[in-house]
Amino acid sequence: EDKVVQSPLSLVVHEGDTVTLNCSYEVTNFRSLLWYKQEKKAPTFLFMLTSSGIEKKSGRLSSILDKKELSSILNITATQTGDSAIYLCAQPQDSNYQLIWGAGTKLIIKP
Amino acid sequence: KAGVTQTPRYLIKTRGQQVTLSCSPISGHRSVSWYQQTPGQGLQFLFEYFSETQRNKGNFPGRFSGRQFSNSRSEMNVSTLELGDSALYLCASSILGGVTGELFFGEGSRLTVL
Repeated sequence: EDKVVQSPLSLVVHEGDTVTLNCSYEVTNFRSLLWYKQEKKAPTFLFMLTSSGIEKKSGRLSSILDKKELSSILNITATQTGDSAIYLCAQPQDSNYQLIWGAGTKLIIKP
Repeated sequence: KAGVTQTPRYLIKTRGQQVTLSCSPISGHRSVSWYQQTPGQGLQFLFEYFSETQRNKGNFPGRFSGRQFSNSRSEMNVSTLELGDSALYLCASSILGGVTGELFFGEGSRLTVL
């Protein structure tokens, strides 16, 4: 059964720290892996990683795909209070091409 | 360009009642997906509609149903509400579907079942 597992489930750090969030997956046929940020209600898209695009970067956020380890990490450097959110990763499920989601990592940045 | 609009934002129902939630996607988007989110559970896929046809369905009981209209607006209905149906229901729209790219989410409808 396809599965996406995120760790840690929650994390509290201070402003300026660097954080690394993890997403591991078990899927029959890998297509892509997506990262989203959910601040209040609506998740917003961050990155999509594919076999041809295993590393993405946007400002202080970056993500890498490790297909050997069946995992991805999301790095946030020089964290700010505005980075406080739930970070979700998702993958297309092989059986019906719909996204399956991890439970998310709740990140709290203390000033 | 206007984002995804969900109504109502909050609602309270009692067990046994039914509820209808509405989602207006971004103009030009033909795919609308519905998700249920409960604390610690992540997003659970309910169903996806594309051009008025249900394209995929998740593992939810038949009490959960939906439809899509010719203008791409979608509704989902939950009948015979149970306490466990209390959740945030999110709608997401995209041009072709989430697995091909970015999903745009609405703010959600928070349902509380008493």
